[in-house]
Amino acid sequence: AQSVAQPEDQVNVAEGNPLTVKCTYSVSGNPYLFWYVQYPNRGLQFLLKYITGDNLVKGSYGFEAEFNKSQTSFHLKKPSALVSDSALYFCAVSPRRYGGATNKLIFGTGTLLAVQP
Amino acid sequence: EAGVTQFPSHSVIEKGQTVTLRCDPISGHDNLYWYRRVMGKEIKFLLHFVKESKQDESGMPNNRFLAERTGGTYSTLKVQPAELEDSGVYFCASSQGLPTDTQYFGPGTRLTVL
Repeated sequence: AQSVAQPEDQVNVAEGNPLTVKCTYSVSGNPYLFWYVQYPNRGLQFLLKYITGDNLVKGSYGFEAEFNKSQTSFHLKKPSALVSDSALYFCAVSPRRYGGATNKLIFGTGTLLAVQP
Repeated sequence: EAGVTQFPSHSVIEKGQTVTLRCDPISGHDNLYWYRRVMGKEIKFLLHFVKESKQDESGMPNNRFLAERTGGTYSTLKVQPAELEDSGVYFCASSQGLPTDTQYFGPGTRLTVL
């Protein structure tokens, strides 16, 4: 079965320190990869995506993610965390299909990022 | 440009009642998706419209759920009759035509079935 794993329910980091939120996937082929963020009482906001090309993808708010095909991972990173980065982060994959098949996203369970001042 | 909007933001109903959720996608987006997050779990795909046609409804839990997208604009998701396990947050998303296009999500509707 196709799945996405976010092994950490919560990540704690001090403001100014680098952060990593982990994501691995089990999807056949070469899927498209996404990160979304949900702030309290808000909807999902798109952060970044990997389609093809350079394995390091840069996105909104200083976030970046590195695609590693051999490890089937797509970890989210930021060099210096801010308190305002505290939110729920979701990794998602979209199986690369052909012939007009659906573009549905398969999500992980989410990782709560808590940045302490 | 307005984003994806959903109505209502919250709904509390009793088991056996009917609820209808509405989603207005970003103007010009042919693709419309419904997802659901049950408490603490992953966000799960329900179905996908391309314009007014259902492209994939493989995620719909059962026949108590009915989704429509009349005229290829807004969409409704009706739950009839609602059960306790239907509680959760229902998200709508829309995108343009390519498989690589980003899906933009609405704020969600939090449904509580008592």
